[in-house]
Amino acid sequence: DTGVSQDPRHKITKRGQNVTFRCDPISEHNRLYWYRQTLGQGPEFLTYFQNEAQLEKSRLLSDRFSAERPKGSFSTLEIQRTEQGDSAMYLCASRGDRRGSYNEQFFGPGTRLTVL
Amino acid sequence: KQEVTQIPAALSVPEGENLVLNCSFTDSAIYNLQWFRQDPGKGLTSLLLIQSSQREQTSGRLNASLDKSSGRSTLYIAASQPGDSATYLCAVSTSNYQLIWGAGTKLIIKP
Repeated sequence: DTGVSQDPRHKITKRGQNVTFRCDPISEHNRLYWYRQTLGQGPEFLTYFQNEAQLEKSRLLSDRFSAERPKGSFSTLEIQRTEQGDSAMYLCASRGDRRGSYNEQFFGPGTRLTVL
Repeated sequence: KQEVTQIPAALSVPEGENLVLNCSFTDSAIYNLQWFRQDPGKGLTSLLLIQSSQREQTSGRLNASLDKSSGRSTLYIAASQPGDSATYLCAVSTSNYQLIWGAGTKLIIKP
């Protein structure tokens, strides 16, 4: 499968615990995005990487959130000291630079986080 | 600040009908607009992408139009089928291709 993959698909944790999610983009895509989606709403942008550089972060990304893309391939999103309000679907997308479909984002299946 | 609105929030129609979903945005300075489909508890599937210079795109029974000047896009679904039941989201891209999303239209096609 050459699509975007995310792991785990589901995560249940207790309030105060740390969690880490992983995203593997389409292999030739150099741009990677994280979004968060709560029930009944559209996704909200969290952060954006071009290769290994984190170029933009939303104000939604509090100090408890950190994202990395150490080698410009896979990315991780860590949430420290989770709160019940962090419960959401976390979506990852990637995009390449090829002409034609170069600005289309392709999404992974998401990681659903439930904080008890 | 770009805002995206989708109307209606929910729609239920009998199988076989043609239908239109609406998306409006407040800032016409967009790079493109995408329509997505999302099944319950699942990720997003891209349906159509319209570049800012284009006025419509077609894929099978789907046709999406874009009117930048009025800040509107429509997604037309012909001959609807129960398998079309899902939430449909539109999103516009900004200068770094960050997507700004509507809240979606939940579509139910009744057999």
